[in-house]
Amino acid sequence: RKEVEQDPGPFNVPEGATVAFNCTYSNSASQSFFWYRQDCRKEPKLLMSVYSSGNEDGRFTAQLNRASQYISLLIRDSKLSDSATYLCVVFRGYSSASKIIFGSGTRLSIRP
Amino acid sequence: NAGVTQTPKFQVLKTGQSMTLQCAQDMNHNSMYWYRQDPGMGLRLIYYSASEGTTDKGEVPNGYNVSRLNKREFSLRLESAAPSQTSVYFCASSEVQEDNEQFFGPGTRLTVL
Repeated sequence: RKEVEQDPGPFNVPEGATVAFNCTYSNSASQSFFWYRQDCRKEPKLLMSVYSSGNEDGRFTAQLNRASQYISLLIRDSKLSDSATYLCVVFRGYSSASKIIFGSGTRLSIRP
Repeated sequence: NAGVTQTPKFQVLKTGQSMTLQCAQDMNHNSMYWYRQDPGMGLRLIYYSASEGTTDKGEVPNGYNVSRLNKREFSLRLESAAPSQTSVYFCASSEVQEDNEQFFGPGTRLTVL
């Protein structure tokens, strides 16, 4: 079982729709959580950090549920430009050689 | 500011050949990283350098070596390439190791025949 798991999708939704996807992690000692966005054949870029209290950035809302060990990303009023792969990233902690774990990504496609 | 640059963008090698992937950043970041990305696997950390003069193994270091040449540059060497090393390689940097944001280079697409 992978330490960080995401539904690979693709999620195919119409423009203007709301879409949400989750990411589960297995290491309860994980400390920090992030969502990165990766466009096709491009490098990943930070979308937003995920805070314990949840946080919002415009149309994007991220939530963390430590009890159930998952994080979520909600996109409201989706735009064509939101089409990308969304990577869940978990920072494990300072004692491990492999401190940052990337999920394999959820592919999102917005149709007109 | 160019950010993080990588060379080459594409490379085809034969099994057993060697090569070095170059990475440079102009953001005065302390930490640098090398990842590989394979379909369905996500990014996996090969090596990282928390600061100039230090390097440590990541999740998949076998078959690779690295050099932190100075604060700006971090190179990845394949001594004897194998088909299993066919992948997209990304270099990244962050201000400090535990920083929230990593900045990635555009990647190197490597094929080993």
